[in-house]
Amino acid sequence: AQSVTQLGSHVSVSEGALVLLRCNYSSSVPPYLFWYVQYPNQGLQLLLKYTTGATLVKGINGFEAEFKKSETSFHLTKPSAHMSDAAEYFCAVSDLTSSASKIIFGSGTRLSIRP
Amino acid sequence: EAQVTQNPRYLITVTGKKLTVTCSQNMNHEYMSWYRQDPGLGLRQIYYSMNVEVTDKGDVPEGYKVSRKEKRNFPLILESPSPNQTSLYFCASGGDSLSGANVLTFGAGSRLTVL
Repeated sequence: AQSVTQLGSHVSVSEGALVLLRCNYSSSVPPYLFWYVQYPNQGLQLLLKYTTGATLVKGINGFEAEFKKSETSFHLTKPSAHMSDAAEYFCAVSDLTSSASKIIFGSGTRLSIRP
Repeated sequence: EAQVTQNPRYLITVTGKKLTVTCSQNMNHEYMSWYRQDPGLGLRQIYYSMNVEVTDKGDVPEGYKVSRKEKRNFPLILESPSPNQTSLYFCASGGDSLSGANVLTFGAGSRLTVL
């Protein structure tokens, strides 16, 4: 069975600082991995995804994530935080053999940005 | 504009009063799903539908019903709401998993309070 663990329910960084949101997954088959972002009072939207190929994936708004199979991780980073990055971030996993119904979400990490 | 539309966005009701949350998508997606979001628990799947007239239970289906009579619509029905169904609800639709597009498009959410 697949699962996702997001380390830290709340992360706070200063504006301009590095953002690092941690995600570890468990999957018995090669995974598809996703990061979704939820801005206040909005639904979730896709930030980036990894399916196959290059392990460093670039997304919108300067975010990127690296798939590390040996560490079963898919951490999300951004070199310099902006106030507009304040949101909740969800890591999710599915796999090549399953349908959209089997996307498993983590519990979310709320990112706060200090001026 | 490609979107998933949910209504109502906000609703306060009383225990036992039947209600329906509507969901409509304009992307011709076969897959649709309902999630509830609760603090610290992330997104939990309630029901999903792989196509018209095909629905199945997710992780937390108790107290909910769905129907999929048309491809674009997937209403969530609470026959006899209870306070533990107070939550933020999201409808989502998704593309064909065979294309690697296990990407979900989410509605803006419906915040339900049951007194």
